[in-house]
This record gives sequence, structure tokens and C-alpha cells, in this order.
Amino acid sequence: NAGVMQNPRHLVRRRGQEARLRCSPMKGHSHVYWYRQLPEEGLKFMVYLQKENIIDESGMPKERFSAEFPKEGPSILRIQQVVRGDSAAYFCASSTDGSEAFFGQGTRLTVV
Amino acid sequence: SQELEQSPQSLIVQEGKNLTINCTSSKTLYGLYWYKQKYGEGLIFLMMLQKGGEEKSHEKITAKLDEKKQQSSLHITASQPSHAGIYLCGARFTGTASKLTFGTGTRLQVTL
Repeated sequence: NAGVMQNPRHLVRRRGQEARLRCSPMKGHSHVYWYRQLPEEGLKFMVYLQKENIIDESGMPKERFSAEFPKEGPSILRIQQVVRGDSAAYFCASSTDGSEAFFGQGTRLTVV
Repeated sequence: SQELEQSPQSLIVQEGKNLTINCTSSKTLYGLYWYKQKYGEGLIFLMMLQKGGEEKSHEKITAKLDEKKQQSSLHITASQPSHAGIYLCGARFTGTASKLTFGTGTRLQVTL
């Protein structure tokens, strides 16, 4: 049973471009969480999704950021018109029923 | 203020020594989770505690959740270099059981 898969592991974008981060949850997991980790800071919750539904997006910036978890395929975190402040590690986690959450290896976004 | 406070923020111990990391919540915990993160990598799930007074062990790591469910401790016995990393406590709070909120982490170094 493969773990949570995130890709790409590293992503470099120029300011103003779009970044798409993908997360494939563990098999059988229908709950997905996205977190952002800035250098030397803790993990900040962004959004919690179940299949085709956003359950809690209280941590998502109001503009430029969106997330989806379609019926088929991975969950996508999309950042439009990236700025230098978006540079961070973005982690995805999945769980079966909202209890233990297992994390992927993260995507490190660098905006140049 | 932080909903979850971890102490100490960093810790340097000699190999073979015991150590304790604390996680204190400002709210009643629905569930408490311990993770370990190596630099530049994802989070590794260690343990989940839900019941007041619960204690779990895995190899040389023991975690407890106090009776009032507002504090947890992680104890490592006879530390080894492989224990080095960042230890993060995460929590689901009563009433907001969806998202997992994290403390700022404790950075552990184990010297030879």
C-alpha cells in the first residue's frame, strides 16, 4: 500500500506564474488535508477536503489559492500568480475517517 | 497566542540519555497526535491518543495524554542519533474535529 504521494517534489516558478501541486492519498483514504510550512516555522493548516467537497478552508488565503479533490484523480492545490512569499513546503495528508493523518513528502515551491 | 504550545523549542541530549517533550493545549483535546519530521522531509506518524489518561509506546518512545485532555508528553528512553529530528504535536479540538492543528515543534539533537 503506497503512502501519500505528492508531486512534484520540487517546483520552481517565476513570479506571476501558476503552481499546481498534486496529492494522491493513500488507497482507501477519502479525506485530504493541505498544510504549508515556511522555513523555521510550524505547519499551518490550509484546507480540508473530502471527495468533491471542501469541508474546511479556513486556512486558505482569500485570493490566488484554490484546492480541489475530484471524484477521480489526485487532489490539486493551485496557486495563481505566485509571489516570492508563496515559497514554502506544501504538505498533503490523508486519512480514512478524519482520525490518523498520514503525510506525503511534500512539494517544495520556490518562486524566483 | 498558539493553541498548542510545545516545550522545549529545542533540545540537545547526549546519546543514551532520556528526554521529555511537552505539548500543552489551550482547549480540550479531541485527539492528540505525535509526528516526527526529519529536515527537508515529510512527517512520520508516531502515535495517536484520544482518551484521558491514555499511554502508548512504540520502541523507546512513550506518549501520554493527561486526564483532563489538555496536555501530552512524549518521552524517549535511552536516546539514539536516529531519534534526532523535529517532533510535532498535532491536535483535533472538541467542536472542530475536522482539521489537525500543529504546535511549533521541538528540535531534538542527539550528540555522541
